[in-house]
Amino acid sequence: NAGVTQTPKFQVLKTGQSMTLQCAQDMNHNSMYWYRQDPGMGLRLIYYSASEGTTDKGEVPNGYNVSRLNKREFSLRLESAAPSQTSVYFCASSDRGRIYNEQFFGPGTRLTVL
Amino acid sequence: GQQVMQIPQYQHVQEGEDFTTYCNSSTTLSNIQWYKQRPGGHPVFLIQLVKSGEVKKQKRLTFQFGEAKKNSSLHITATQTTDVGTYFCAGLNYGGSQGNLIFGKGTKLSVKP
Repeated sequence: NAGVTQTPKFQVLKTGQSMTLQCAQDMNHNSMYWYRQDPGMGLRLIYYSASEGTTDKGEVPNGYNVSRLNKREFSLRLESAAPSQTSVYFCASSDRGRIYNEQFFGPGTRLTVL
Repeated sequence: GQQVMQIPQYQHVQEGEDFTTYCNSSTTLSNIQWYKQRPGGHPVFLIQLVKSGEVKKQKRLTFQFGEAKKNSSLHITATQTTDVGTYFCAGLNYGGSQGNLIFGKGTKLSVKP
């Protein structure tokens, strides 16, 4: 099992460019999440998908869109990147069927917007 | 909205010293989870506490959940260099959906050999 995978690992964008961050999990989890992590700010939830076909806004959704393509894949799109979106982005998944319902994180995408 | 506060933000210890990080919520929590993130890595789940007053141990790590289910702590006895990283608490409030896991800002632990 690869767990949660994310692509790309690193990305540099210019202001106004768009891009999609990809996330996939092979654990058959129902729920998937996108977080951003900034120094001193912890992990902030951008969007989540409780199950295939549903998505909901988290704490900081502005400037982002998501697509739950199928049960495995959950993508995050930046339509017009801004320097304030420079961050490390983590995708995570979880399943209420597990004892602890813990979240499994991917390795992250380090994004710089110039 | 709900907030989860974590202190201290940073902690520098000598190897062998103890370490404690504290987590406080503005609302009563259903449960609390703890994660560890190594430098350059991603958060990894450590434990979940559910019951009021619950105490769980993992080798040198002791986790507590307060009686009112609004605070929690992680204590590491005799730190080692392998304990270096950032420790996050994450609370789930009553009635919250999967999306209501609120993370604290973390405590970054450095250990001097």
